[in-house]
Amino acid sequence: QVQLVQSGTEVKKPGASVKVSCKASGYTFIAYSITWVRQAPGQGLEWMGWLSVDNGNPNYAQKFQGRVSMTADTSTTTAYLELMSLTSDDTAIYYCARGAWDQKYWGQGSLVTVSS
Amino acid sequence: QSALTQPPSASGSPGQSVTISCTGASSGVLGSKYVSWYQHHPGKAPKLIIYEVTKRPSGVPDRFSGSKSGNTASLTVSGLQADDEGDYYCASYAGGNNYVFGSGTKVTV
Repeated sequence: QVQLVQSGTEVKKPGASVKVSCKASGYTFIAYSITWVRQAPGQGLEWMGWLSVDNGNPNYAQKFQGRVSMTADTSTTTAYLELMSLTSDDTAIYYCARGAWDQKYWGQGSLVTVSS
Repeated sequence: QSALTQPPSASGSPGQSVTISCTGASSGVLGSKYVSWYQHHPGKAPKLIIYEVTKRPSGVPDRFSGSKSGNTASLTVSGLQADDEGDYYCASYAGGNNYVFGSGTKVTV
């Protein structure tokens, strides 16, 4: 069965970076893009971008351009989201999901807290 | 402010129907076949309930249906049940390889 298992909770200081992982299994990893979505406390879902796993090409939401990096290691079928220059506004649950235009399979979410 | 506007809340009694609208802020949003709906319970992963405007993933009951007319997409939940409570989000291809979620609607049964 398709599974996306994410890394655990992170606590970071303002200005730091965080890297969240998403281990995929149960399907051909390179056949699907990986999308990243976040939800800040009390807020809605926010699309951050997606990564074409087959060629490594990312597509970032304009809001995050310049401080986000989405990559994948096909040898370990793991996708990564790195977000830099963190502020308290980046405190959120970060989700990975399979697919670019609709996402049936999701990771369990990774809580990132940014606090001094 | 999201490019996709949804009503903040909707409600219905068990057995009734509720329809949630999703209106695009510009003609480019909601202009493709890639319109999806998700059910989300905070702290859990979102669940895809409609994709490509009207299609249901396997396992999603036919009580859930989607449609689109012009710049507005809609999700109808018929025969409301208690476990239909939650937050519902529309989402759409927004041009230029971009994707956007709606502002979200809290459904109360």
